[in-house]
This record gives sequence, C-alpha cells and structure tokens, in this order.
Amino acid sequence: EPEVTQTPSHQVTQMGQEVILRCVPISNHLYFYWYRQILGQKVEFLVSFYNNEISEKSEIFDDQFSVERPDGSNFTLKIRSTKLEDSAMYFCASSNGEGWFFFGQGTRLTVV
Amino acid sequence: EDQVTQSPEALRLQEGESSSLNCSYTVSGLRGLFWYRQDPGKGPEFLFTLYSAGEEKEKERLKATLTKKESFLHITAPKPEDSATYLCAVKGGGSNYKLTFGKGTLLTVNP
Repeated sequence: EPEVTQTPSHQVTQMGQEVILRCVPISNHLYFYWYRQILGQKVEFLVSFYNNEISEKSEIFDDQFSVERPDGSNFTLKIRSTKLEDSAMYFCASSNGEGWFFFGQGTRLTVV
Repeated sequence: EDQVTQSPEALRLQEGESSSLNCSYTVSGLRGLFWYRQDPGKGPEFLFTLYSAGEEKEKERLKATLTKKESFLHITAPKPEDSATYLCAVKGGGSNYKLTFGKGTLLTVNP
C-alpha cells in the first residue's frame, strides 16, 4: 500500500540551528502539506504546496519556515533558526485532490 | 473560521461494549469531513471521508455518519486493539487545501 515516508523520525537540535525535515509523498499525488502537533494539542495546518508553489499557509508559517520540492519525489520543510517552541511532531501529508489525505508517521523535533 | 469540537475527550469501554464518538463542526461550505485514527507517537491514519448529510461509511467495527452539524463514529463490539485517539477534521469552502482538526477522543478498550 502506498505511504508517505518521513525522515528522520526524531531530530534533536540546538536553539538557533537550522533543520530540514524530509518527506516522500505518495507518488501520484499532486498536493503536499506540512502539519505540526505540539504535545497534547491539536494537529495544526502549516502550509500546502501545489504546482511547485505555496498554495496556502497559516499564521504559524512565518519567515523562519520554507518548503521546497527539490526533485520529483522529495518535499522538505526547512526551519531556519529553531526556537524552543518549535518542538513538536511535524507531519507531512499528500493528497490526490479528491478528498484522500494521507499522513506520514512524523518527525519528532526537539529543540534544546 | 472553521471549528471542530470532539466529545468526549476520553472514553473507556469494556471489550464488546459499543459506543459512539461525536464531532461537532462549524464550517462555511463543507467540502469533506475526515476521520483519522492516531496511535501514540504516530501519524494520523486515514479512516473515512464524508461529504454530505446522510452519508454513512463503514470499515470493520467502525461506522461514520454525517449530519449538517455533526458526525458520529460508531464503534461496535470494540476490541483492545481499537484503543487509540480518534481525530475528526473538516475541509471548508474557504480553503482548497487546509484540514482543521479537533482535539480528538482518546478511546481505551479494556479486555
């Protein structure tokens, strides 16, 4: 069964460092997303990406965040200067645009 | 702004004891209501998408229903392996892309 793959599963970084979270969406999907879930809280939308550009972003997705699809299979989320409050589970998701949204297993980001 | 409220926050059942989880929503122009299962430390696992009032979908011991204001996830004769957090999310007409999630219901099924 096709799945969304995320790496790494856990990332520990020092405050102020840059991190890149990686995702391989389902191969025939065209819509890609990043969500995050702070421990004990709701899953929150960060950004959506379609046709090689950001299609929508939330207030959380400020200038420290960026997304990229560097090749035909990978989708990345970069956090430029991490803060303690960026510690969360980050989920990549992909969709075929027909109402099927599939999520990866997540990257647990810990900022120390 | 789209809003999703799930109740109860936590539910403890005995194996075989059927029950229902509730998801109330406020959205301008519902374009889909989604149910997911989430195990601890894992990503949401897709269960169902519902689009219009009156629609029902089933998968094993789970059945999801939809009205104009809420959705129910009915669990029939649950087993311990059904223990998880069940998440509800909506896609509203104001966005082509974003899902808005509720906080979830933590279901525990005791043997």
